[in-house]
Amino acid sequence: DADVTQTPRNRITKTGKRIMLECSQTKGHDRMYWYRQDPGLGLRLIYYSFDVKDINKGEISDGYSVSRQAQAKFSLSLESAIPNQTALYFCATSDTGENQPQHFGDGTRLSIL
Amino acid sequence: KQEVTQIPAALSVPEGENLVLNCSFTDSAIYNLQWFRQDPGKGLTSLLLIQSSQREQTSGRLNASLDKSSGRSTLYIAASQPGDSATYLCVVDNTGKLIFGQGTTLQVKP
Repeated sequence: DADVTQTPRNRITKTGKRIMLECSQTKGHDRMYWYRQDPGLGLRLIYYSFDVKDINKGEISDGYSVSRQAQAKFSLSLESAIPNQTALYFCATSDTGENQPQHFGDGTRLSIL
Repeated sequence: KQEVTQIPAALSVPEGENLVLNCSFTDSAIYNLQWFRQDPGKGLTSLLLIQSSQREQTSGRLNASLDKSSGRSTLYIAASQPGDSATYLCVVDNTGKLIFGQGTTLQVKP
């Protein structure tokens, strides 16, 4: 089983819909992250959480919200999806402290029509 | 604001060649620098992590160097193979948050 699992893997939806992307991990890490990847722009940080009671905005948080339901679960919501949120979304985890590598899920490909 | 740039954006080489991927960053105050590999439809796999106090790391046919003072890192791949075909991402860790380069897409032809 994958250490970092994202669901769904693919989603096509319409403008204005509320979407939730889910991430769960079995690594026991405190830190979890959500990124989006767009062609030519690399990955950009949306939100991150350093523990269950900690939520922080990243570089591009507008239009998104998150919930850290437990140490192992971190979900990303698009309150009212718009076409420019079409992208590949990645969840990642890391252990606490400096120089801890991040471990990524396989991504969710989201298309907003 | 930290910016990470990778050159070239794409590279195509015949099998067996040694090659170098380049990465530059604007702020030398980093915790570490990582090189990731991304295969189509897959997540990112960490290849090498160089701490800010280190100059290089090696893993098999891969060698990554770090020069903080000049804001540069290189990933050297020896004796390239078709299985090395992927996108390689240079990632800088700034205070616990990762800043990604746009990636170099490598194709190794048999």
